[in-house]
Amino acid sequence: KQEVTQIPAALSVPEGENLVLNCSFTDSAIYNLQWFRQDPGKGLTSLLLIQSSQREQTSGRLNASLDKSSGRSTLYIAASQPGDSATYLCAVSHNTNAGKSTFGDGTTLTVKP
Amino acid sequence: DARVTQTPRHKVTEMGQEVTMRCQPILGHNTVFWYRQTMMQGLELLAYFRNRAPLDDSGMPKDRFSAEMPDATLATLKIQPSEPRDSAVYFCASGLVAWGFQASNQPQHFGDGTRLSIL
Repeated sequence: KQEVTQIPAALSVPEGENLVLNCSFTDSAIYNLQWFRQDPGKGLTSLLLIQSSQREQTSGRLNASLDKSSGRSTLYIAASQPGDSATYLCAVSHNTNAGKSTFGDGTTLTVKP
Repeated sequence: DARVTQTPRHKVTEMGQEVTMRCQPILGHNTVFWYRQTMMQGLELLAYFRNRAPLDDSGMPKDRFSAEMPDATLATLKIQPSEPRDSAVYFCASGLVAWGFQASNQPQHFGDGTRLSIL
């Protein structure tokens, strides 16, 4: 059974700092990995999707990497802003069942002005 | 921008009542998901549909939960009878899932959820 862990559970940083969020998974036979953002009272917004054959994806100040062999992914946020404050979740899609994803519990990020 | 629409946004009802949650997926998406989010359990997949056919509902309590997709524009999740432990936020998501091994998936798009409270 796939298990997805995100550490730390919460993170507080001053504005402008670069930061890294971590996601680890137990079964390396994945189809893809997604990073999502969730604001309070809202649904999840997809930030980046990395296919199993890829090593990283970039969008603006965000960069996500994937190392399947070690079961790890990182989300790098450059020059953090107060508007980046949210909960970030990673989700791993199963290799044998592309529609089924397992989510981590998320990292709650607070960026202080 | 196309969005997944869920109704109602909030629902408060008494134990034993029937609850129906609705979802309008994004047009053209072939897969619809139902999730439940709680503080204790996080985000759990309840069921999902591929081209309107139920593919996996192993995450749902079968005795009280049912999920259907009567047409391409509507997915429903029903709880009957409801219990206090069903209190959670229920999310619907849709996506374009390529079901072949070599093909690529597209990101899932989530609705804003239905916040359900069972008293």
